[in-house]
Amino acid sequence: EPEVTQTPSHQVTQMGQEVILRCVPISNHLYFYWYRQILGQKVEFLVSFYNNEISEKSEIFDDQFSVERPDGSNFTLKIRSTKLEDSAMYFCATSLLGTGAFFGQGTRLTVV
Amino acid sequence: QQQVKQSPQSLIVQKGGIPIINCAYENTAFDYFPWYQQFPGKGPALLIAIRPDVSEKKEGRFTISFNKSAKQFSLHIMDSQPGDSATYFCAARDRDDKIIFGKGTRLHILP
Repeated sequence: EPEVTQTPSHQVTQMGQEVILRCVPISNHLYFYWYRQILGQKVEFLVSFYNNEISEKSEIFDDQFSVERPDGSNFTLKIRSTKLEDSAMYFCATSLLGTGAFFGQGTRLTVV
Repeated sequence: QQQVKQSPQSLIVQKGGIPIINCAYENTAFDYFPWYQQFPGKGPALLIAIRPDVSEKKEGRFTISFNKSAKQFSLHIMDSQPGDSATYFCAARDRDDKIIFGKGTRLHILP
């Protein structure tokens, strides 16, 4: 069964450092998303990406965040200068038009 | 603004019982309503979904009931098992294909 793959599974970084989270979407999917989940809380939308551009972003997705699909397969989330409050699980999700989104297993980001 | 309201926050049911999780929404532009199941340390997994032109959908032991006029939908789990213990999220997709989650329900099925 096709699945969304995320790497790394766990990333520890110092405050102020840049991190890049990577996702390999399901191959024929067209819509890509990043969500985050602070421990024990709900899943929060960060950004959606379609046709090689951001289609929507939330208030959380400020100038410190960026996304790209550099090689037509991987989909990345970059946080330029991490803050303590960026510590969370980050989920990549992908979908086809008209379907639900399929989520990866997540990257646990710990900012120290 | 909470676009998808989910209740209860937590639920404990005896094995074999029928837990019911309820959700409500305001935005009539939502056109797809998925439910996700999440186990600790895992990503949300798509469980079952419904479109607003359908009043009920059943897949195995999971049933969604949808009331378009009331803007409410619910998940029923028939013959619940301890392995169903997880956090369940209702969600709604808007016309920009963004999926908005409810706050989740922690379900515990007692053996």
